[in-house]
Amino acid sequence: QVQLKESGPGLVQPSQTLSLTCTVSGFSLTSYHVHWVRQPPGKGLEWMGRIQNGGSTDYNSALKSRLSISRDTSKSQVFLKMNSLQTEDTAMYFCAIFPYWGQGTLVTVSS
Amino acid sequence: DIVLTQSPATLSVTPGESVSLSCRASQGISTSIHWYQQKSNESPRLLIKYASQSISGIPSRFSGSGSGTDFTLSINRVESEDFSVYYCQQSYSLPLTFGSGTKLEIK
Repeated sequence: QVQLKESGPGLVQPSQTLSLTCTVSGFSLTSYHVHWVRQPPGKGLEWMGRIQNGGSTDYNSALKSRLSISRDTSKSQVFLKMNSLQTEDTAMYFCAIFPYWGQGTLVTVSS
Repeated sequence: DIVLTQSPATLSVTPGESVSLSCRASQGISTSIHWYQQKSNESPRLLIKYASQSISGIPSRFSGSGSGTDFTLSINRVESEDFSVYYCQQSYSLPLTFGSGTKLEIK
């Protein structure tokens, strides 16, 4: 059964770095691309980037300077790191292997 | 970046009515458009892939059409469980982009 589950801190202070983990089961990370998508409260969906099955990464140019996506295939985990967080980064963060999505994890940026 | 414009932003309908939701791309994207339904506090659920291809487990009242720049999601005889937000997404080129959504609400 395909499952993705995001985990992370929940609350991050402004200017700090966000670190999230996506744990995948039912899929091999070497066979599929894993995407990160975020959704601010009450707003639409924004594609952040992906790590391809071969390990290469692609980023949304709007976030590229702050964003890094990596993985540990032995643990079936994909990692998102984004620095210099601001209040506008408050959002639900999803990982996905389309069409499968995790449940999302809410990240609030606040002091 | 490819901009997807969804209309209308909100659609108020009575259960049993049939509706059409529009998604227009800023440039031609062949049939690389996908439709998602998102209910409150849930992850998006894929309804239609590549403009018109059905998805296993999705009710047959959902259908899609279009190619190039204009796409439509149709719901035949809306049911109570269908009231939610619908997004289109393109996979023609990076960055992947989503439309801003159409909220389907009960009249």
